[in-house]
Amino acid sequence: NAGVMQNPRHLVRRRGQEARLRCSPMKGHSHVYWYRQLPEEGLKFMVYLQKENIIDESGMPKERFSAEFPKEGPSILRIQQVVRGDSAAYFCASSTRQGNYGYTFGSGTRLTVV
Amino acid sequence: DAKTTQPTSMDCAEGRAANLPCNHSTISGNEYVYWYRQIHSQGPQYIIHGLKNNETNEMASLIITEDRKSSTLILPHATLRDTAVYYCIVRATRTQETSGSRLTFGEGTQLTVNP
Repeated sequence: NAGVMQNPRHLVRRRGQEARLRCSPMKGHSHVYWYRQLPEEGLKFMVYLQKENIIDESGMPKERFSAEFPKEGPSILRIQQVVRGDSAAYFCASSTRQGNYGYTFGSGTRLTVV
Repeated sequence: DAKTTQPTSMDCAEGRAANLPCNHSTISGNEYVYWYRQIHSQGPQYIIHGLKNNETNEMASLIITEDRKSSTLILPHATLRDTAVYYCIVRATRTQETSGSRLTFGEGTQLTVNP
C-alpha cells in the first residue's frame, strides 16, 4: 500500500538544463496536484491534473514549466532551461475524485540549480 | 475559498495538550475545515477535517464552534515529533468533476513541543 512516490528525492541541475520530476499517485487515486515550496516560504499551488487532462494550471509560471499526467505512467513536472530561482522543493499530492477526504502528499523532490 | 487566520507560532510542553486555534469568519455553508501539518523538509500530512460537528481520529480532535467561524485542533498528548507547521485550510466540497480542487496553504502555525 505505497503512498505517493516522487523521484528523484534530490536533483541537481546546471543553469539552462532541463529538470524532470516524477510523481506516481497512490493506488486508486486519479487526481494529481503539484506544489512548490521556495526556501523559507509556504506551499504554493502549481497545477491540478487528472489522467490526460490539465484541470487547473493557474499556479504554473507562464514559461518553461509544463506538466502532464499520461494515461499510463507517472505524472511529470518539466522545467526547461532552469534558473537559480527554480531551486525549491516540489511536492506532489494525489486524491480520489474531488479530494473531499484530503490529499496524500509525497516526500518531495528537492531541486538545486547551480 | 474562505481565508483563515492562525497564530504564527506556539509552544507546548511535551505530554501536555496542544490547542491550535484558527479563525475562518468568512466561512460559508458548504466549506469544510481541513488541518494539515508539515514536519521540517517533509511533505505535508493530512490530519483531520470537519464540516460542523466535532471530529476525532487517532491523531487529533477538531472542535468547530457553533457559528463555524473558528476551530481548534487539539493534539491531546503532544510529543517532540509533533513539532511542525500546522495549516488550517477552508475549502468547499467539490461535486463536479472539473470544478478545480486545489488546497490553498497559508502561513500556518509553527508548533514547537519542548521537553
